[in-house]
Amino acid sequence: DIVMTQSPLSLPVTPGEPASISCRSSQSLLKNNKYNFLDWYLQKPGQPPQLLIHLGSNRASGVPDRFSGSGSGTDFTLKISRVEAEDVGVYFCMQALQTPYTFGQGTKLEIK
Amino acid sequence: QVQLVQSGAEVKKPGSSVKVSCKASGGTFGTYAVNWVRQAPGQGLEWMGGIIPVISTIHYAQRFQGRVTITADRSTTTAYMELSSLTSEDTAVYFCARAPTFAGGLDFWGQGTLVTVSS
Repeated sequence: DIVMTQSPLSLPVTPGEPASISCRSSQSLLKNNKYNFLDWYLQKPGQPPQLLIHLGSNRASGVPDRFSGSGSGTDFTLKISRVEAEDVGVYFCMQALQTPYTFGQGTKLEIK
Repeated sequence: QVQLVQSGAEVKKPGSSVKVSCKASGGTFGTYAVNWVRQAPGQGLEWMGGIIPVISTIHYAQRFQGRVTITADRSTTTAYMELSSLTSEDTAVYFCARAPTFAGGLDFWGQGTLVTVSS
C-alpha cells in the first residue's frame, strides 16, 4: 500500500494569515506524465470530509479560491492564502493512484 | 443536488455482522463509484472498498478481504456495505462517498453511520 505522510499534524494559525500543509507519498502519484492522483479533504467537527482539491491542483466545485494545491510526484502542498475561522478542522490528503486509497494522518488546523 | 443518506446507528455483538445502506438521490446512480470509508473514534480515515454499479466493478482493501461485501441495487439507487466477524476494533463511523470513477475525487459524502461493537 502507498503510505501517505502529512506535516505538521497540528497547525495553529492567526486569522488572515497563510497556512501550508505538506503531504508526501511513498511512491509517485503521477500517471501518464500528466495527472497526479492526490486529493485534499477537510473534515469539520462532526461532519463528513469534504473534497477541496482533486488531481493535485483542481479545486472542487464551490471551494473558495484561497485554497490551492500544488506539487507533483511524491511531494504535495495545500495552501490557504488567508485563513478564516470557518477553515478549522482536520485536513487529509489521499492518494487515488491505486486501491486501496490511503490517507495521510490528518493535520488539525486551529485558530490562535 | 446529489444526496447520500445512510442508515442509522447500529450496536452489534462481537462475531456478528452489520449491513449499512447508502441511498443516493439527485444524480445518475450506477455510473459513479460508491466508496466506503471508515473512521474509528478520534482516528483518521480508512478506505474499505468501492463499487461502480453499472459495470459491476468492485474493489476491496486487502485487509478487509473476506470480511466485507459491497453491493448496489440500481433499482433503488442504494449501495450496501456488509462487514462480518465484527470485533471491538470495527467500532467506527462508516461513510459512503461518491466519485466519478476509481480515481479519487470523492465529491459527495453520506452523513456517516456509527457502528458500535460491544458485548
